[in-house]
Amino acid sequence: SQQGEEDPQALSIQEGENATMNCSYKTSINNLQWYRQNSGRGLVHLILIRSNEREKHSGRLRVTLDTSKKSSSLLITASRAADTASYFCATPPLEGAQKLVFGQGTRLTINP
Amino acid sequence: GAGVSQSPSNKVTEKGKDVELRCDPISGHTALYWYRQSLGQGLEFLIYFQGNSAPDKSGLPSDRFSAERTGGSVSTLTIQRTQQEDSAVYLCASSMAGGRTGELFFGEGSRLTVL
Repeated sequence: SQQGEEDPQALSIQEGENATMNCSYKTSINNLQWYRQNSGRGLVHLILIRSNEREKHSGRLRVTLDTSKKSSSLLITASRAADTASYFCATPPLEGAQKLVFGQGTRLTINP
Repeated sequence: GAGVSQSPSNKVTEKGKDVELRCDPISGHTALYWYRQSLGQGLEFLIYFQGNSAPDKSGLPSDRFSAERTGGSVSTLTIQRTQQEDSAVYLCASSMAGGRTGELFFGEGSRLTVL
């Protein structure tokens, strides 16, 4: 079963607007990571938030983590056409295997 | 090289043939992952190597799939007797210490099409 699941599956907004994507997970974690994938390319790491952090910023990205609700959100402010991509959250289990488990992703389209 | 390198970038094969996909991780990265991504879908974990430890093969979908990592560096994913449902992009990633502690660096993937 999926550890991380993104919501919505697809999001289409106008350039300049903010985009918010959500991720829910099932088991305890020590960090949660967000990745971006441009069409036909590999994934690129965006940001990592640790379980003892509640919010983290990187440029136009803002990530929040609520461990009590087992959820995270990724906010992209002042969106640009180049932000068009799929966004995935990924979580490593707290115990056991080191594998990162990815969700199905949110397909973000920024309309000019 | 500076990043994770995968080859071939595209592979078209006939059903029943064997294929080998190669991954060159970032130098010094001890952890190496293989994932599979079907069109428009998320990433499906296949296998994980960490240093000299036994690999985590829990994601391999059938015994037609196998992978090895020689000398703690280059990895080869082999699919025997390919089926049409094997068509997907196969992504390799490497990491300094494993996903529990840090980010993964991905290659551009090998797109496999089984006719």
